[in-house]
Amino acid sequence: DSGVTQTPKHLITATGQRVTLRCSPRSGDLSVYWYQQSLDQGLQFLIQYYNGEERAKGNILERFSAQQFPDLHSELNLSSLELGDSALYFCASSPRGGAGNEQFFGPGTRLTVL
Amino acid sequence: GESVGLHLPTLSVQEGDNSIINCAYSNSASDYFIWYKQESGKGPQFIIDIRSNMDKRQGQRVTVLLNKTVKHLSLQIAATQPGDSAVYFCAEMGSRSNNNDMRFGAGTRLTVKP
Repeated sequence: DSGVTQTPKHLITATGQRVTLRCSPRSGDLSVYWYQQSLDQGLQFLIQYYNGEERAKGNILERFSAQQFPDLHSELNLSSLELGDSALYFCASSPRGGAGNEQFFGPGTRLTVL
Repeated sequence: GESVGLHLPTLSVQEGDNSIINCAYSNSASDYFIWYKQESGKGPQFIIDIRSNMDKRQGQRVTVLLNKTVKHLSLQIAATQPGDSAVYFCAEMGSRSNNNDMRFGAGTRLTVKP
């Protein structure tokens, strides 16, 4: 158990819908990262927050957005969902903002878009 | 385009043998490399990292070798155990402090036979 929690574990929705994935980092970690893992694209970095502020941006679509709240939990919002958005979404956290710090991954949320 | 890739998608070894998992990268500007282990149904787990100013780094039963001349990274696991069965990913970044360009390889599935 990494100490990072993600909810929900599974999510099934329809195309065009909007969903919110939630992540609680390890106690004391200030930085949160979001990743997408799909069969055809593999694991991809989406976005990073540090202490409430966006720190780094990867291959995140404009339909997707995220935020980190004062209590340091984070949410990833996915809108206008398409079939290709079906994937595992992982959240990771690290104590500090530098990407080189070890990142601890949560168990993931499996999103299925029908 | 530039990419991170793995030579072998699957690797099967006998328990007690040493395992070697390979990774090729094409971005000569990559400065920082990480190996992750992902067990079935779980998120990736950090194993070991290495910076481009090093060519070898050792951990507990694991060694990472970096050959910048041929842009090749390998993970060696000594005395492989059944618990080592998982998918192993390499990841590269342009800078240890910047997650913006973090990219992952496709992954190699390691199976340990008893």
